[in-house]
Amino acid sequence: IAGITQAPTSQILAAGRRMTLRCTQDMRHNAMYWYRQDLGLGLRLIHYSNTAGTTGKGEVPDGYSVSRANTDDFPLTLASAVPSQTSVYFCASSESHSGGSPLHFGNGTRLTVT
Amino acid sequence: GQNIDQPTEMTATEGAIVQINCTYQTSGFNGLFWYQQHAGEAPTFLSYNVLDGLEEKGRFSSFLSRSKGYSYLLLKELQMKDSASYLCAFMDSNYQLIWGAGTKLIIKP
Repeated sequence: IAGITQAPTSQILAAGRRMTLRCTQDMRHNAMYWYRQDLGLGLRLIHYSNTAGTTGKGEVPDGYSVSRANTDDFPLTLASAVPSQTSVYFCASSESHSGGSPLHFGNGTRLTVT
Repeated sequence: GQNIDQPTEMTATEGAIVQINCTYQTSGFNGLFWYQQHAGEAPTFLSYNVLDGLEEKGRFSSFLSRSKGYSYLLLKELQMKDSASYLCAFMDSNYQLIWGAGTKLIIKP
């Protein structure tokens, strides 16, 4: 079944540790995104990639990095986790970054930093 | 600046109609999206409006007025499975989505 796969589903991480959240899509979408969702706030864009080989910073990029070596994979790395990074992280993709291309979301990673 | 606003929570009765409003302010606009998100799940796409007017998709309709910075999502013949959060988001001049915090819709029998 075509879609986006995120791993892990959930994780408890000690502060200061490094962590990579994985995201893979099989729809050959050009654009991919990482969002975080916190209670009472809208989805906030962390980083995005309009096409393989390019990345850009979103609204809340500090403490996070991404890479887009190929079309399918878009991992998100927390270099040194802090408690404020406790959140639900959603990876998403769309055919194009412009126009009315809807986003397709993965099932999310629930991250708790202690 | 840019901002977007929608009610935090609404309650409606099974079988009834409910309208969820969304207002926004932006200098550049490239369309407005509505998504549905059930608790603990990922958002799923419902509708996209870029021109003024009403778009109908089965029990769900979405309306846009660009001059008023206003959209609404209309849900008819409510079912218990419609209990979810409804997220509106507009696409700005840089093609980035600005998201509302979501409206939690509670359906009562």
